[in-house]
Amino acid sequence: DQQVKQNSPSLSVQEGRISILNCDYTNSMFDYFLWYKKYPAEGPTFLISISSIKDKNEDGRFTVFLNKSAKHLSLHIVPSQPGDSAVYFCAASARAAGGTSYGKLTFGQGTILTVHP
Amino acid sequence: DGGITQSPKYLFRKEGQNVTLSCEQNLNHDAMYWYRQDPGQGLRLIYYSQIVNDFQKGDIAEGYSVSREKKESFPLTVTSAQKNPTAFYLCASSTWTQEAFFGQGTRLTVV
Repeated sequence: DQQVKQNSPSLSVQEGRISILNCDYTNSMFDYFLWYKKYPAEGPTFLISISSIKDKNEDGRFTVFLNKSAKHLSLHIVPSQPGDSAVYFCAASARAAGGTSYGKLTFGQGTILTVHP
Repeated sequence: DGGITQSPKYLFRKEGQNVTLSCEQNLNHDAMYWYRQDPGQGLRLIYYSQIVNDFQKGDIAEGYSVSREKKESFPLTVTSAQKNPTAFYLCASSTWTQEAFFGQGTRLTVV
């Protein structure tokens, strides 16, 4: 049972254009969502997060949008840069479910982003 | 510099052998986690510990064991009962108010 899904295995964009990565979830208990970036043979690095009480969070070139009714979130990268090429993972947690620290996450399968110069 | 150290980076194991992966953090985080990544898949939670001397099973705990005797250390043992142990293993730590910070991973291969 895949509770967090990233249906696009890969995405290719031109440098300077917008990258949009999508994520869907099924568990209504999820109340906190994160995006991690990962290079091969390395650990993921935290990128941006959003609480379920918000519908948008912005940090520089990165913006995450949350549509709770559709159980959908997306990550926008504007403008895209070649250094953004990596695997992006969407993750979710159910913090309000009770005393769970912030690292107990359910991950999607990842989307490989390639930004061409 | 604060961080999470996983060792070794690459590990080879013969079938039927137990092997222990090391994870040490100096971030003073209370919680630590072990995740497994398989090709084309996301990370799946194996075990986690939110306080010393306590730990809970994650989604795929069968064939694995852990201990948390010190705040800084959370070793993972892959036992012979784990039927498909070849994977990339990631250790992480977090506080109660900040996102998880990951180590660089250990790639385990059964030969």
